[in-house]
Amino acid sequence: EIVLTQSPDFHSVTPKEKVSIACRATQTIGNSLHWYQQKPDQSPKLLIKYASQSISGVPSRFSGSGSGTDFTLTINSLEAEDAATYYCHQSSSLPITFGQGTRLEIK
Amino acid sequence: EVQLVESGGGLVQPGGSLRLSCAASGFTFSSYAMTWVRQAPGKGLEWVSGISGSGGSTYYADSVKGRFTISRDNSKNTLFLQMNSLRAEDTAVYYCARAAVGVVTAEIDYWGQGTLVTVSS
Repeated sequence: EIVLTQSPDFHSVTPKEKVSIACRATQTIGNSLHWYQQKPDQSPKLLIKYASQSISGVPSRFSGSGSGTDFTLTINSLEAEDAATYYCHQSSSLPITFGQGTRLEIK
Repeated sequence: EVQLVESGGGLVQPGGSLRLSCAASGFTFSSYAMTWVRQAPGKGLEWVSGISGSGGSTYYADSVKGRFTISRDNSKNTLFLQMNSLRAEDTAVYYCARAAVGVVTAEIDYWGQGTLVTVSS
């Protein structure tokens, strides 16, 4: 099973700041890494697919990078509405796995 | 508009059974693989099971293998999860989710609102 480890677990940031969330896989997964945003009491929402591909309707301040085992989600110019938990997800091989999540608090 | 609506959750005793349903609309159901993902209270996301568009291939997490069965009725655009021998650790919100293409190993582009399953005596 491929284990995904996100860092940090929690991040408190101010509006307009830039933040990066890392996701590391225990074995190479190419670019089969996706990012989701989950706000309290809501279902997850797809933000980035295949490491760096943008999703229609997602603000351009969200971007992704990486390949192999190391990936990063970057949020430029944070807004208050970005307060949420962010998850990475690998679809390279079964069982499908998710990172443990990174909770983002906006001060 | 793609919609996924789960139902069937509730309170069940340890060792009991429950059947979840997910009614899909707004897309050609049989063309997409579907998955179940769960989230225990206050915890992260855990993939549970997946099924191909035709229903011919099914996949399970080790934690539910032999206890849960995923199936689909493409004539009724409905996904199911039969859960037997339920344990306290199965307590979670269960999400029905669509894989973006016809294989389970793809990004998940749509999620239902979730249905809560509570296993407790």
